Amino acid sequence: DAGVIQSPRHEVTEMGQEVTLRCKPISGHDYLFWYRQTMMRGLELLIYFNNNVPIDDSGMPEDRFSAKMPNASFSTLKIQPSEPRDSAVYFCASSLLIDREDGYTFGSGTRLTVV
Amino acid sequence: GQSLEQPSEVTAVEGAIVQINCTYQTSGFYGLSWYQQHDGGAPTFLSYNALDGLEETGRFSSFLSRSDSYGYLLLQELQMKDSASYFCAVSPFQGSQGNLIFGKGTKLSVKP
Repeated sequence: DAGVIQSPRHEVTEMGQEVTLRCKPISGHDYLFWYRQTMMRGLELLIYFNNNVPIDDSGMPEDRFSAKMPNASFSTLKIQPSEPRDSAVYFCASSLLIDREDGYTFGSGTRLTVV
Repeated sequence: GQSLEQPSEVTAVEGAIVQINCTYQTSGFYGLSWYQQHDGGAPTFLSYNALDGLEETGRFSSFLSRSDSYGYLLLQELQMKDSASYFCAVSPFQGSQGNLIFGKGTKLSVKP
């Protein structure tokens, strides 16, 4: 398996623009997570899905953020409009079960810079 | 709320043993996980302690004591490639089961 695949790897955009981050989880994994990592706040869970259904979106900062999972092999995280404080590395992760014995598998991340 | 405390930095020499501590304040959680992250890379799962005690995986071991609200990651026979950040993480009983909360991480520098 190619692991969790995220695109793009890097994104530089101007404030006010829409940004869409993409993720392909590992085939067969029922759980998909979106995390954000910054120096100040560390790794934070934004939202996670189980069988394509959003379970917990309490970490989504505000209405500018939205996430979808239209099928088992694809998810998007959208920011509209983007702001400089959204600059961070966004990770997607997936897991087979919610059981933590095997851990979560993270993608390589998308480094977002909003100028 | 929940909080995890780790030292921000640790330095050790190649071949040595290093222990990275994690103390936490949470009302209850499923278990303690450890992740490794190299600079510019993705977090990678290392270990999980559901029960108190020591779990060993090769050169790495992880320990949990719920009564002491404490856990640690032990790295033996340190290698240069072990230079990375290490995060402890818990899933609290309070809230959704999938919400894995991470500590701020410990940056380990291995010197020759």
